Amino acid sequence: NAGVTQTPKFQVLKTGQSMTLQCAQDMNHEYMSWYRQDPGMGLRLIHYSVGAGITDQGEVPNGYNVSRSTTEDFPLRLLSAAPSQTSVYFCASSYKGAYNSPLHFGNGTRLTVT
Amino acid sequence: LAKTTQPISMDSYEGQEVNITCSHNNIATNDYITWYQQFPSQGPRFIIQGYKTKVTNEVASLFIPADRKSSTLSLPRVSLSDTAVYYCLVDPVNTGGFKTIFGAGTRLFVKA
Repeated sequence: NAGVTQTPKFQVLKTGQSMTLQCAQDMNHEYMSWYRQDPGMGLRLIHYSVGAGITDQGEVPNGYNVSRSTTEDFPLRLLSAAPSQTSVYFCASSYKGAYNSPLHFGNGTRLTVT
Repeated sequence: LAKTTQPISMDSYEGQEVNITCSHNNIATNDYITWYQQFPSQGPRFIIQGYKTKVTNEVASLFIPADRKSSTLSLPRVSLSDTAVYYCLVDPVNTGGFKTIFGAGTRLFVKA
């Protein structure tokens, strides 16, 4: 199994450009989420989804949109990139079971906005 | 979601046992305690999870006292490759971790 796959690994944008960060998982996990991590800091939750067609905001949702049309995919869209969105973005998924299922993370997308 | 407090950084030497303690004074009855490990340029990786007493796996042990207001991650005989950031989190059971809030973690540096 590939687990959680994020593309691209690296991206440079100019201020005002838009782009979509891709995230796909092949574990049939119901839950998926996006985090951003700034240098020397922990991860901050941007958006999450508890299943196809359902999304909700996390701690830092402004400037980002998400959708969940399938169980496997959870893309993150930046409509108008800003330098403050320079960060490493991680996608995660987890299984809704009878116990607290741990998160499975991708290896991240490093985004620079100039 | 319960807030956690853990040391910002720790140093150790190869072959030593490392104990990282996390405080979670406001932990709720249905909260689990989970630890993750993160290497540079990688996403966090699940290490261990527990609810009470002691849990052990091939990587680490997790000690949780009866009041559950703290927990200790124990890494036996660390090596240079254990240099990483370690996150302690508490989450309600059955949430699948989808709304997990991460703190800054503990940066462990293992020296030769």
